[in-house]
Amino acid sequence: DGGITQSPKYLFRKEGQNVTLSCEQNLNHDAMYWYRQDPGQGLRLIYYSQIVNDFQKGDIAEGYSVSREKKESFPLTVTSAQKNPTAFYLCASRGWGSGANVLTFGAGSRLTVL
Amino acid sequence: RKEVEQDPGPFNVPEGATVAFNCTYSNSASQSFFWYRQDCRKEPKLLMSVYSSGNEDGRFTAQLNRASQYISLLIRDSKLSDSATYLCVVNSIETSYDKVIFGPGTSLSVIP
Repeated sequence: DGGITQSPKYLFRKEGQNVTLSCEQNLNHDAMYWYRQDPGQGLRLIYYSQIVNDFQKGDIAEGYSVSREKKESFPLTVTSAQKNPTAFYLCASRGWGSGANVLTFGAGSRLTVL
Repeated sequence: RKEVEQDPGPFNVPEGATVAFNCTYSNSASQSFFWYRQDCRKEPKLLMSVYSSGNEDGRFTAQLNRASQYISLLIRDSKLSDSATYLCVVNSIETSYDKVIFGPGTSLSVIP
């Protein structure tokens, strides 16, 4: 079945460590996105990529980095420069479905900084 | 003003009730509109797209008023399983990319 796979589902990190969250899609979508969600809050865009080897900062890119070397993959690195990284991270890709250009999400990665 | 605003909620309604959610957006150039549903600690999932003529999917009806920059979602005969957060999503084409903006969401609890 086509979809988006995020890993790990849960991750614990010590302060000062970088961590990388994986996002893989087999939907053949060009555009991919990373969002952050804090408890009781809406989704905030971290980075997005419309095509391979190209990506743009979203609203809250500071302390994060991404790469897009393959169409299927859009990993997110949470660096030690991110001051408050504990959050729910959602990866999405965008393509045609249900008669419109829609976002499909992975199941998310929940990062906790100890 | 936020780009996409929704009723603050939460909405607590009895089973069988009809409930309406409202959403407004600020960018008049916005082109496509959606309602997503998010269950607690899960990812958002597409509920339905919103078309200019209005559209219905079973118990769910979505309406769009471009002149007022307003979107609505009506749920009839609420079920316990409808309890979730409902996210209004607006897409617009900006200078070089598609911008997808999520509203903050409105929480619904359907009570037995």
